[in-house]
Order: sequence, then structure tokens, then C-alpha cells
Amino acid sequence: KNEVEQSPQNLTAQEGEFITINCSYSVGISALHWLQQHPGGGIVSLFMLSSGKKKHGRLIATINIQEKHSSLHITASHPRDSAVYICAVGEGGGADGLTFGKGTHLIIQP
Amino acid sequence: DAGVIQSPRHEVTEMGQEVTLRCKPISGHDYLFWYRQTMMRGLELLIYFNNNVPIDDSGMPEDRFSAKMPNASFSTLKIQPSEPRDSAVYFCASSFGTSGLLHYNEQFFGPGTRLTVL
Repeated sequence: KNEVEQSPQNLTAQEGEFITINCSYSVGISALHWLQQHPGGGIVSLFMLSSGKKKHGRLIATINIQEKHSSLHITASHPRDSAVYICAVGEGGGADGLTFGKGTHLIIQP
Repeated sequence: DAGVIQSPRHEVTEMGQEVTLRCKPISGHDYLFWYRQTMMRGLELLIYFNNNVPIDDSGMPEDRFSAKMPNASFSTLKIQPSEPRDSAVYFCASSFGTSGLLHYNEQFFGPGTRLTVL
């Protein structure tokens, strides 16, 4: 079973700061997902990647398959980015079930 | 599309009662997942279906839990009898995946059902 570790567990930053959240996993994977969970509880998929780098607006996700490590970056952070960010991995073929990290609770202060 | 629909959104029941959670996936999606989220354990996969067939139910805690997918647009997760430790938020998610090929797609989550067992 894959072990998914995220760091930091909690992060408080000032508006405008560059944010980095890290994720490492123990077993080779087919794809890694970054999810965002809002204070109301809803979960939104931000990225799914199996290699390289993806960018969407102010969000950037990278993955290093050899090192079994991924990072999620937020540029020019804003209070609306405050949420829990969850890393999840899939190991098998096809759209398989995910194994999740514990999440990073991010607070961006104005 | 309305997204993944779950009902009820909140359920409060007493220990020993049967609980049924419902999910309608996004039309055209061929994978459906049931997850559970608790403070202690975070998010965990319970079971997932491909083309209405259960593929992996190794995450189902025990025989009190059962899941069905009678057709492509509906799935249920049933707990009988329910216990206080089953209190959690249960999420349903769906995705489109090309089975047998290395083709992966993002999962779309429903709003969740918050279950409280007294």
C-alpha cells in the first residue's frame, strides 16, 4: 500500500506570498492528483499529472517520478486560496481508486 | 451537467438503523468511487466500480457495508446496522477512464453526505 506524506500539515502566509506544498509517496504510481477542499467541505480536482509540470492560472504542479515527489505551488497567494490541499495517488491501470495524503491546511491572511 | 449528485446531504440516525446513501455520477462517466472522510483517517477509498461492476472493494470496512450500482446512473452505499464509528462524510466521485489503456482522468467529487450515527 502506498504511503503518501504531505508537508507542511499547516501553513499560514500573508497575501501575495509564494506558497509551496510538498507530497511524497512510497510506491511507483500511474498518476498523482492535487485536490482542493474548501471550508464548506466540497472537493475539487486541481491537477492530475503523471510527469513533468502543469499550470493553471496561479497554480503550478510538478512531479518527479524518479524521486517520488510532487509539489504544488501558488503564486501571488490570495485569501480565497485558503483551503485544505490534498495530494492523492493512483497506482493501477485505468481510473483507479486513490490513496490520499492527510492534507495541508493553508490560511492566507490579508 | 449538474455534476455528481449525492443524497441525502446530511443524515442523522441511531445506532442499529440501516442507512442508505445515494449517488448519481456524471453522465457518460464509466468509473464511480465511494470514499469516506474522517478526522482521524482522512480520505479513504471504500469501493469503486467500472461499467457498473465492482472492481475493488478492499476498502469496505466490514460486512455491514455494501454497495451496488444497478445501472450507469445510480449507485448506493448501504450500512446495516450502523454504528457510531461510521460517522463520517461519505463522498462519491466519478470519472471517465479508458480501461486497459494507460489513460487516466481526473475524478469529479460530489458534495458528500455527512452521516452522524448516535
